Amino acid sequence: ETGVTQTPRHLVMGMTNKKSLKCEQHLGHNAMYWYKQSAKKPLELMFVYNFKEQTENNSVPSRFSPECPNSSHLFLHLHTLQPEDSALYLCASSQDQGAYGYTFGSGTRLTVV
Amino acid sequence: TQLLEQSPQFLSIQEGENLTVYCNSSSVFSSLQWYRQEPGEGPVLLVTVVTGGEVKKLKRLTFQFGDARKDSSLHITAAQPGDTGLYLCAGTSNTGKLIFGQGTTLQVKP
Repeated sequence: ETGVTQTPRHLVMGMTNKKSLKCEQHLGHNAMYWYKQSAKKPLELMFVYNFKEQTENNSVPSRFSPECPNSSHLFLHLHTLQPEDSALYLCASSQDQGAYGYTFGSGTRLTVV
Repeated sequence: TQLLEQSPQFLSIQEGENLTVYCNSSSVFSSLQWYRQEPGEGPVLLVTVVTGGEVKKLKRLTFQFGDARKDSSLHITAAQPGDTGLYLCAGTSNTGKLIFGQGTTLQVKP
């Protein structure tokens, strides 16, 4: 149990589908993040939320839409994705800006067909 | 743009050998973290180093932060198959962002 739970663990979706990824943290952290991990590339920061307010959008295409209803929950809504969006999507949380470490979830393995 | 470069990108060794993974940048970081990631899981924090020249030990793992806070190393003594995984370094930039290296894949053969 890492304290950060992501669902689903695996997702296969067509390019015209709409789906959502969910992340929940029970650590009392005030910051939550979405990262994209593709093969042979560094982790790419997508979005940052601090006290449920979005503080960063790292030039992510609008087909990815985040939602943070409270400090414990984070969603990533997906629609009209492309095959190149297939990747491992990781959620993380931290206290403040995370200078002492992030806690990651297990990720959602997304395949766009 | 601050970048972190890890080397080597891939390392395959026999059980019992020693190894060192490097994380280098031309930029200064206020802190640096090391994570280990197993297949199908998210990264797990191993250590955070903050002070230039700092050395931290975690059982057979030794982490060092460079004096100028631009580089770090991870040394594993007597590697075991359970050490197999992807090792990631990440630095906190001057803007507060966490920047990741591309990772080092370690395979320890029994």
